[in-house]
Amino acid sequence: QAQLVQSGAEVKKPGASVKVSCQASGYPFTTYDINWVRQTPGQGLEWMGYVHPGSGNAGYAPKFQGRVTMTRDTSTSTAYMELTSLTSEDTGIYYCARRQYNFDYWGQGTLVTVSS
Amino acid sequence: DIQMTQSPSTLPASVGDRVTITCRASQDINSWLAWYQQKPGKAPKLLIYKASSLESGVPLRFSGSGSGTEFTLTISSLQPDDFATYFCQHYKIGPWTFGQGTKVEIK
Repeated sequence: QAQLVQSGAEVKKPGASVKVSCQASGYPFTTYDINWVRQTPGQGLEWMGYVHPGSGNAGYAPKFQGRVTMTRDTSTSTAYMELTSLTSEDTGIYYCARRQYNFDYWGQGTLVTVSS
Repeated sequence: DIQMTQSPSTLPASVGDRVTITCRASQDINSWLAWYQQKPGKAPKLLIYKASSLESGVPLRFSGSGSGTEFTLTISSLQPDDFATYFCQHYKIGPWTFGQGTKVEIK
């Protein structure tokens, strides 16, 4: 049974960066893209981008291009999402999700709060 | 980007009711549509993929239909565990986008 376990909640000041991790288990890590989806009160569910664990290739939604970086460490089966230049509008829950065609397994979510 | 619009935003219903949620895409997405259920404090859970295929382990009272730009999720007989928020999502071509959600609440 596939499982994705994310890092804990974060509190950041405006202008700072945050890095969230997502450790996969129960399936071959390099086989499926790991995607990041966030949920905010203002915008609902938003797809941010993906990283392919096998190649390390990443792709980002235009809204986040230039501000997000998605990476992976195959030795620990962990994917990472780093978001920079945080504002209050980035406050929300960040999920990682495995994707073949749709998002079939999700992490438990990481609450990121941006506040001065 | 392809926009996904769900209706209604809120759906008051009772146990045993037949419930239908609609999702419209701003352009043709063939059958590249998924439905998710989300409960408070939890991640979304995949229910339906490719518009009408039931994910393994999902009760048979859930069904999906449609193609092109108009889709529906139906719960044939609402159970207490089904009070939740439901989202549609297309996966025809990136960026993948979601509907704004439909909250099924107790009438």
